Amino acid sequence: GAVVSQHPSRVICKSGTSVKIECRSLDFQATTMFWYRQFPKQSLMLMATSNEGSKATYEQGVEKDKFLINHASLTLSTLTVTSAHPEDSSFYICSARDRQGGQPQHFGDGTRLSIL
Amino acid sequence: QKEVEQNSGPLSVPEGAIASLNCTYSDRGSQSFFWYRQYSGKSPELIMFIYSNGDKEDGRFTAQLNKASQYVSLLIRDSQPSDSATYLCAVKVASGSARQLTFGSGTQLTVLP
Repeated sequence: GAVVSQHPSRVICKSGTSVKIECRSLDFQATTMFWYRQFPKQSLMLMATSNEGSKATYEQGVEKDKFLINHASLTLSTLTVTSAHPEDSSFYICSARDRQGGQPQHFGDGTRLSIL
Repeated sequence: QKEVEQNSGPLSVPEGAIASLNCTYSDRGSQSFFWYRQYSGKSPELIMFIYSNGDKEDGRFTAQLNKASQYVSLLIRDSQPSDSATYLCAVKVASGSARQLTFGSGTQLTVLP
């Protein structure tokens, strides 16, 4: 079945560091990828929709200058958390939708980000 | 009113019983409905999706959709301890919307051996 690879799985770093998370679709082409954030015991919250070859669409309240998204190819999207602070510590999950299949979305394994 | 609502639980059922998970949604224009299972510390895993009114069965899982009542449910037959997880209901709320899926807050299920 479709597989989405997300890397790294865990990051621990100091406040002020920028962190890049990669999301790859391994066996299908994804024109659209989604980035979610999940705080403990809460549901997934969509941060932004990443479109191949164009600017990402950010949800209300998500700072586009802080969460930089690049979707340079049909199989790769990256999320960079710039100058991360402790309040950015969360579980970040990407998902991708097969350009041919439409639904459903397939999720990566997530990245647990801890900012000290 | 939240767009997608689920009882947070926890819901406990004995092994072998039927677990019933419920979800309501507010947007009558919603088209597609998904159930995901999420183990602690892991990302969601798709269990089932349903588009049409009625029931859809896949192994021990049955999804039920009633668009008139804006209600979707997931039944798990012969529940196993390995089914213990948080179950997320997700809805595609509008055609053409940039926001593809809206998730409920999840229901935590515990299957007792």
